[in-house]
Amino acid sequence: LAKTTQPISMDSYEGQEVNITCSHNNIATNDYITWYQQFPSQGPRFIIQGYKTKVTNEVASLFNPADRKSSTLSLPRVSLSDTAVYYCLVGDWDTDKLIFGTGTRLQVFP
Amino acid sequence: DTAVSQTPKYLVTQMGNDKSIKCEQNLGHDTMYWYKQDSKKFLKIMFSYNNKELIINETVPNRFSPKSPDKAHLNLHINSLELGDSAVYFCASSQQGQGLDEQFFGPGTRLTVL
Repeated sequence: LAKTTQPISMDSYEGQEVNITCSHNNIATNDYITWYQQFPSQGPRFIIQGYKTKVTNEVASLFNPADRKSSTLSLPRVSLSDTAVYYCLVGDWDTDKLIFGTGTRLQVFP
Repeated sequence: DTAVSQTPKYLVTQMGNDKSIKCEQNLGHDTMYWYKQDSKKFLKIMFSYNNKELIINETVPNRFSPKSPDKAHLNLHINSLELGDSAVYFCASSQQGQGLDEQFFGPGTRLTVL
């Protein structure tokens, strides 16, 4: 079963841009790449979803290279309230299952 | 108005017992899911249901069984609970399936097996 890996943790300061990567070398051909945010004691919450190239919404951007074997979630000008764990979610080509990434704990400092 | 709700929020029980966790969504979605989040915060899909049909059955022990009385409900039954079943279980729903669109998650049920 392919692994979907992310850096364990990242630190940033308020106002900075943060880029979180997700490696998914066995992504299914037709599957989207989705990112979720999770605060302690809460369920994950949708941030953004994309298939190829770049997608932007009011809170984040998502960059997917042409081969789609990785993706980068970009959070512009983070604030203290962005401190959370961020997960990517992709479909696995071999098993046709949804696979969450290992999660990245983002800590934002004042 | 809670979109996806789960009950109970906390569940403490003894090894060998049988327990159920209930999930309800009022979003009119066609697909519902169950996920397990372990102590290391890894999230793993267990089941999903689309229009009362099981479409993903992750390699979980058959002690776990999803039950969907209607499109708005997907309950999780667990028989003969084991220590390793201790985790947080999340229910979710989406209009489509297979990660094609946004999933809405419930608040989670923290299961502790003693």
